[in-house]
Amino acid sequence: AQSVAQPEDQVNVAEGNPLTVKCTYSVSGNPYLFWYVQYPNRGLQFLLKYITGDNLVKGSYGFEAEFNKSQTSFHLKKPSALVSDSALYFCAVRDKDTGFQKLVFGTGTRLLVSP
Amino acid sequence: AAGVIQSPRHLIKEKRETATLKCYPIPRHDTVYWYQQGPGQDPQFLISFYEKMQSDKGSIPDRFSAQQFSDYHSELNMSSLELGDSALYFCASSPRGAGGYSYEQYFGPGTRLTVT
Repeated sequence: AQSVAQPEDQVNVAEGNPLTVKCTYSVSGNPYLFWYVQYPNRGLQFLLKYITGDNLVKGSYGFEAEFNKSQTSFHLKKPSALVSDSALYFCAVRDKDTGFQKLVFGTGTRLLVSP
Repeated sequence: AAGVIQSPRHLIKEKRETATLKCYPIPRHDTVYWYQQGPGQDPQFLISFYEKMQSDKGSIPDRFSAQQFSDYHSELNMSSLELGDSALYFCASSPRGAGGYSYEQYFGPGTRLTVT
């Protein structure tokens, strides 16, 4: 079974500082990995994905994520946080080899960027 | 750019009533997914459709049913509503094409269902 773990319920960072939101995954085959962001009372917005190739993936709004197969991790990063980045972030995985289409989400990490 | 449209955005129903949620995918997207997000929880996959056929099924109660129509829009029908069905229901769409499962899913704004 595929699963995703986001070990931190909340991450606090000062504006201008780098941020990292952690994600580890477990799949039986090869993973497709995704990051989504959710603002209050809004749908989930796609940020970036890892399919294959370069382990460092760049996405929307200056976010990037690094795929690490040996550590089964896909941490979300941004060099300089903005107050407007404050939101709920979800990591998600899809198992490429089982053929299942569904995304399995982590429990989410709330990012709070202080001015 | 066109996004996924969901209607209604808010719905209040009483226990044992029925509800129908509608989803209009992004043009040229042929795959539709439904997710349920309870308060403070992560989205849980319910069901998906590709080319009007059910393609994957998750933790969808037997009281719920869904279908995809010839214009690719989808409807989630919920009967005998329970208090625990109160949640945010998301529809997402993606193209299938040659990329298959590598495509990301684009989410609609959700329908907030409140069962009283």
